[in-house]
Amino acid sequence: QSVLTQPPSASGTPGQRVTISCSGGISNIGINSVNWYQQLPGTAPKLLIHSNNQRPSGVPDRFSGSKSGTSASLAISGLQSEDEADYYCGTWDDGLNVKWVFGGGTKLTIL
Amino acid sequence: EVQLVESGGGLVKPGGSLRLSCAASGFTFSHAWMSWVRQAPGKGLEWVARVKNRRYGGTREYAAPAKGRFSISRDDSTNTVSLQMNSLETGDTGVYYCTTDEEGIAGRRWGLGTLVTVSS
Repeated sequence: QSVLTQPPSASGTPGQRVTISCSGGISNIGINSVNWYQQLPGTAPKLLIHSNNQRPSGVPDRFSGSKSGTSASLAISGLQSEDEADYYCGTWDDGLNVKWVFGGGTKLTIL
Repeated sequence: EVQLVESGGGLVKPGGSLRLSCAASGFTFSHAWMSWVRQAPGKGLEWVARVKNRRYGGTREYAAPAKGRFSISRDDSTNTVSLQMNSLETGDTGVYYCTTDEEGIAGRRWGLGTLVTVSS
């Protein structure tokens, strides 16, 4: 069971907008910034969003992130077929033992 | 070009040991904190261990499943981070990724991963 909670699946048609939620707690999302990672089929994860809402160089502005309280979300607008992937949220948890925690991942299917 | 290249994975029996290595290039390795993250077949991402840079004393931190069995280390002279894994269990099976934590951004860069299979 993951420390951060994500829906296991999401879907949309090309051109649509989809959002993926990530729910945590006071010791993780509540006090630390959230990153999002994209994992295309058969490949390594890639940083998609960092510091809640910052896009690394090369990431299209169709991808955006936000955070409020102990939850975060990733929005993808103008869906494209190549966006079909697994998406993970992640942050540090400053509880008893510091650890990097992830959501269970959301599989995005383009219909 | 930034590169993280993992090696050392393979098939090992339960109770055995493996040493994973990650060779880094294309960025200032000595400034980065380095982590290992694993992914069991068909499952999500799981953090394993982290080593900070010299400025932060090279502090090592471990996830609960790795404590007492795994040891992370770094060599800034060769731009390498390693993970010594002992007393391996079937639950340790998966792809192990080397990742960077730069300027407070965890998972900024990822290697391609190396597969560890623990099976009798």
